[in-house]
Amino acid sequence: DAGVIQSPRHEVTEMGQEVTLRCKPISGHNSLFWYRQTMMRGLELLIYFNNNVPIDDSGMPEDRFSAKMPNASFSTLKIQPSEPRDSAVYFCASSFFSNQPQHFGDGTRLSIL
Amino acid sequence: AQTVTQSQPEMSVQEAETVTLSCTYDTSENNYYLFWYKQPPSRQMILVIRQEAYKQQNATENRFSVNFQKAAKSFSLKISDSQLGDTAMYFCALEGPNNDMRFGAGTRLTVKP
Repeated sequence: DAGVIQSPRHEVTEMGQEVTLRCKPISGHNSLFWYRQTMMRGLELLIYFNNNVPIDDSGMPEDRFSAKMPNASFSTLKIQPSEPRDSAVYFCASSFFSNQPQHFGDGTRLSIL
Repeated sequence: AQTVTQSQPEMSVQEAETVTLSCTYDTSENNYYLFWYKQPPSRQMILVIRQEAYKQQNATENRFSVNFQKAAKSFSLKISDSQLGDTAMYFCALEGPNNDMRFGAGTRLTVKP
């Protein structure tokens, strides 16, 4: 069974550009999570979805960040416009509903120059 | 609000010895789950062990076991017979009934040959 798939694995872009991170959850999982990991702030939950519906986006840092889940097998996290302080590793994770363990993708290392 | 505290930024242990990583947490929920995740240099997030708060019995998974003290809100991880491959960052995490996961700052464990 394939795990959570994230793309791209690495992204380097200039500030001001739009960045789109992609995630394919494990088939059959109902919940999807986006996290950001930095040295200063550690692992932060940005937003999560249950059954494709955003439940809590209080962790999204600014209006420049947006996330969508148009169907059960795909989600995007978009940053527009990007800034150097957005540089981080972004993880996507999925799980069955009701507090089953979250399975993480390999992350996207984002560098904004 | 849910918080997770890992007070040991770094630890080291000799190969084949036992080490215990500390974690305390705070939550107002009665129904929650606790996890330990491992992040090796490859940056994958790997589930090590999971504990349901309503279960008094401490979870074990091969060389990994926890000491769950619910009243003290403590959730330590014991690694027995440490192996070089156990070198990694270890994150304690708390998940509430709404799937909102909070991570501690992590403990960097080094297993020395």
